[in-house]
Amino acid sequence: DAMVIQNPRYQVTQFGKPVTLSCSQTLNHNVMYWYQQKSSQAPKLLFHYYDKDFNNEADTPDNFQSRRPNTSFCFLDIRSPGLGDAAMYLCATSSKGTSGSRQYFGPGTRLTVT
Amino acid sequence: GENVEQHPSTLSVQEGDSAVIKCTYSDSASNYFPWYKQELGKRPQLIIDIRSNVGEKKDQRIAVTLNKTAKHFSLHITETQPEDSAVYFCAATRTGTASKLTFGTGTRLQVML
Repeated sequence: DAMVIQNPRYQVTQFGKPVTLSCSQTLNHNVMYWYQQKSSQAPKLLFHYYDKDFNNEADTPDNFQSRRPNTSFCFLDIRSPGLGDAAMYLCATSSKGTSGSRQYFGPGTRLTVT
Repeated sequence: GENVEQHPSTLSVQEGDSAVIKCTYSDSASNYFPWYKQELGKRPQLIIDIRSNVGEKKDQRIAVTLNKTAKHFSLHITETQPEDSAVYFCAATRTGTASKLTFGTGTRLQVML
């Protein structure tokens, strides 16, 4: 089945220790998004890629970076995680076209910072 | 930019009753309005969406209505069941090359037996 996959599902890292979260998709969608979701809140968009074009949200901290080496994969790098970065990180994809705008979410990676 | 308000923040209904969640948006150029259901610890799941060229869309027990003039849209769930218990998010966007969703703050729906 076509889907959005995130690995790992649970990640524990130490304060200040770099961490990378990954997302892959078999939907062949050209847009990939990274969201941060904290408890009882709506998902907050960090950035997105339209093909290889990177688009950062104005309020996304510099601590968060992203890479998209090909259509299928996208990575979220947190250079120096702080306690406030503990959250669920959601990857989503969508395609351009008449059915565009529909975003499909991966299962998320829950990040714990100790 | 777009701003989406969602009410109520919590909603409790008896099994079998109907539930209605309302959202308003600010950007008259927004033309796509999805609804997501998120169970505890799981991903947001798209349950229904509507585009601005229609006023209502229905899928079994779920329906969404859109009033472009008033800039509000609503989710209606009929014959609620315990498995409908979740957090529901509305969202709005203007479709384009990479449509960025603006989410509402969410409604926690509890269906009581």
